[in-house]
Amino acid sequence: AQSVTQLGSHVSVSEGALVLLRCNYSSSVPPYLFWYVQYPNQGLQLLLKYTSAATLVKGINGFEAEFKKSETSFHLTKPSAHMSDAAEYFCAVSKMDSNYQLIWGAGTKLIIKP
Amino acid sequence: DTEVTQTPKHLVMGMTNKKSLKCEQHMGHRAMYWYKQKAKKPPELMFVYSYEKLSINESVPSRFSPECPNSSLLNLHLHALQPEDSALYLCASSRVGTDTQYFGPGTRLTVL
Repeated sequence: AQSVTQLGSHVSVSEGALVLLRCNYSSSVPPYLFWYVQYPNQGLQLLLKYTSAATLVKGINGFEAEFKKSETSFHLTKPSAHMSDAAEYFCAVSKMDSNYQLIWGAGTKLIIKP
Repeated sequence: DTEVTQTPKHLVMGMTNKKSLKCEQHMGHRAMYWYKQKAKKPPELMFVYSYEKLSINESVPSRFSPECPNSSLLNLHLHALQPEDSALYLCASSRVGTDTQYFGPGTRLTVL
């Protein structure tokens, strides 16, 4: 069965520092992978997605993620954190037996220290 | 335009009330979804509509009744809810056969 693991329920970084949010997946075939962001009291916004084209995917708000098949990882990074990046981040993988369902990681809360 | 709208933004209801949540999108998507999200948790899929027909019901209690009156609208009718049903209810849409779902802002539901 497919699964998604996000390492760290909370990640705290200083403003201006590198942001690294970790996501590992288990899948027998290369899946489609997504990062969503959820700001407080809001819905989920698509940050970026991997769909077997380029392994380095650029998203909105300066975020990017690299698909590494050998490590079954899809970590999210941003070179310089901004206070406005404080939010909950979810990694998700598509269920290969259904085009409709996403398997979600537990989420990582990103905290930005001034 | 990648906007999904949801109304109302907040809803407080008693356990005997009947209310409805509304979702609308104008992206031409023919797949629409209802999710329930509890605090600090990922969203849980409730229902999926494809071409206005219910295709997935994730064993949701019958007190939740979805409806898709046309390709742009999705409703969730609520009746006799329990306090544990209090959550953020999210609507999403996508093209059929793709995984990229676009979410609305959600309705914060409180059941007293």
